[in-house]
Amino acid sequence: EVQLLESGGGLVQPGGSLRLSCAASGFTFSSYAMSWVRQAPGKGLEWVSAISGSGGSTYYADSVKGRFTISRDNSKNTLYLQMNSLRAEDTAVYYCATRGNLLPRYWYFDLWGRGTLVTVSS
Amino acid sequence: DIQMTQSPSSVSASVGDRVTITCRASQGISSWLAWYQQKPGKAPKLLIYAASSLQSGVPSRFSGSGSGTDFTLTISSLQPEDFATYYCQQANSFPHTFGQGTRLEIK
Repeated sequence: EVQLLESGGGLVQPGGSLRLSCAASGFTFSSYAMSWVRQAPGKGLEWVSAISGSGGSTYYADSVKGRFTISRDNSKNTLYLQMNSLRAEDTAVYYCATRGNLLPRYWYFDLWGRGTLVTVSS
Repeated sequence: DIQMTQSPSSVSASVGDRVTITCRASQGISSWLAWYQQKPGKAPKLLIYAASSLQSGVPSRFSGSGSGTDFTLTISSLQPEDFATYYCQQANSFPHTFGQGTRLEIK
C-alpha cells in the first residue's frame, strides 16, 4: 500500500528541538521529491520545506530557514525534519507530502501522511 | 516570495449552486497552480493541478482555469460532500506558498 506515516511529534519547550520522521512505503522513495507542510490549530496550510529525490537540493520557508533542516535516508525510505530553536508559533500539525501519481516535474501534493502534532509550550 | 490571495475567505451556498473561488498571485506563475480541498481533521486532497488539470478520481463538477496571476476554481453543482475549505498553492518558485483558504459553508 502506498502511504506516508509521520512520527516524532510531541510537546517541547520554547527553544527546544525535535526531529520528525516520515516513513514511506509502496513506491520508489528515491524517485520522489518530498515536502513538509504544516497547519497551526484552526489556521491554514503553510509550506515549510522540500527536498529533491537525491537529497541534493533543499528548500525552506523564510519562517523556518536557519532553524529547521530537511533530510532523507533513501536506504530507509524515510524523510526527516530536524527542528531547532522552536517557538510557540511553530505549534502545528506537520504533514509530509509528495506528488503521488503525478509526473516527476510536478511539485504538487497528491499523497499526504496523516500528520503529527508538534506543540511548543512551557 | 510569491503571495497567494484567495477570495472570498468564506462563502455560503446551497446544494446545487455554482460556486467560484478566486486565487491571485503577487507575480506571474504561468500555470503552476494547484487547488486542494480539506475537511476537518483530514489531510488536504488534490483536486486540480497545473491550473486546469483534473486529478484522477475527482468529480468533473470541479474545474480550474487561469494563468499568469489570476486563477479560479469552479464547482458547477455543489454536493453535500463539497462543504470544506479550499486552498490554492503555487509551484512556480520556492517557497511553494499556499493561499489563506476559502471556507465553503452550507447556507
